[in-house]
Amino acid sequence: DAGVIQSPRHEVTEMGQEVTLRCKPISGHNSLFWYRQTMMRGLELLIYFNNNVPIDDSGMPEDRFSAKMPNASFSTLKIQPSEPRDSAVYFCASSTTSGSPHEQYFGPGTRLTVT
Amino acid sequence: AQSVSQHNHHVILSEAASLELGCNYSYGGTVNLFWYVQYPGQHLQLLLKYFSGDPLVKGIKGFEAEFIKSKFSFNLRKPSVQWSDTAEYFCAVNAKSGYSTLTFGKGTMLLVSP
Repeated sequence: DAGVIQSPRHEVTEMGQEVTLRCKPISGHNSLFWYRQTMMRGLELLIYFNNNVPIDDSGMPEDRFSAKMPNASFSTLKIQPSEPRDSAVYFCASSTTSGSPHEQYFGPGTRLTVT
Repeated sequence: AQSVSQHNHHVILSEAASLELGCNYSYGGTVNLFWYVQYPGQHLQLLLKYFSGDPLVKGIKGFEAEFIKSKFSFNLRKPSVQWSDTAEYFCAVNAKSGYSTLTFGKGTMLLVSP
């Protein structure tokens, strides 16, 4: 099993630019989660999808953030325009509601630096 | 909504010392409990989990945790730590009823000196 795949692994961009982070969940998993990790705030849930439908986006910080899941094997998190305070590691995780419920498998993360 | 409290932000131990990291949660119903570990520069990995049954659960790398329902606690233990255990440890909880997301604690950074 390839695990959760995220790209890019590192992204450096200038303030004001659009940033798109990508995630491929584990095949067969029907839930997908986007998290942000910073020193100050720890691990924060931004949004999660169940069967490709956004269930809870209350963690999305502002309208500059948007997420989509067009199909079961792909999701994007977009920041437009980006700001220096968006610098963080963004993790994608997936899980299944069958078998061992609620156990989430994390991807390697994307380290975003906005200058 | 549930919440998770990890009492220690940083713990420093020498190799072979015993480890106990505290975790308390707040929720009125039944829960699933998890410990995740994040090694430097890596992603979160599941260390162990409790769903039901024996409240003493054993995980990878010699770690174990005990669920004490009356204390709303799920402390992580290891009898003898190694330098390679240096990492950040996260306790997490979610409600059994319906489908709910994981709520993570703030994490405890463990530094093991050789």
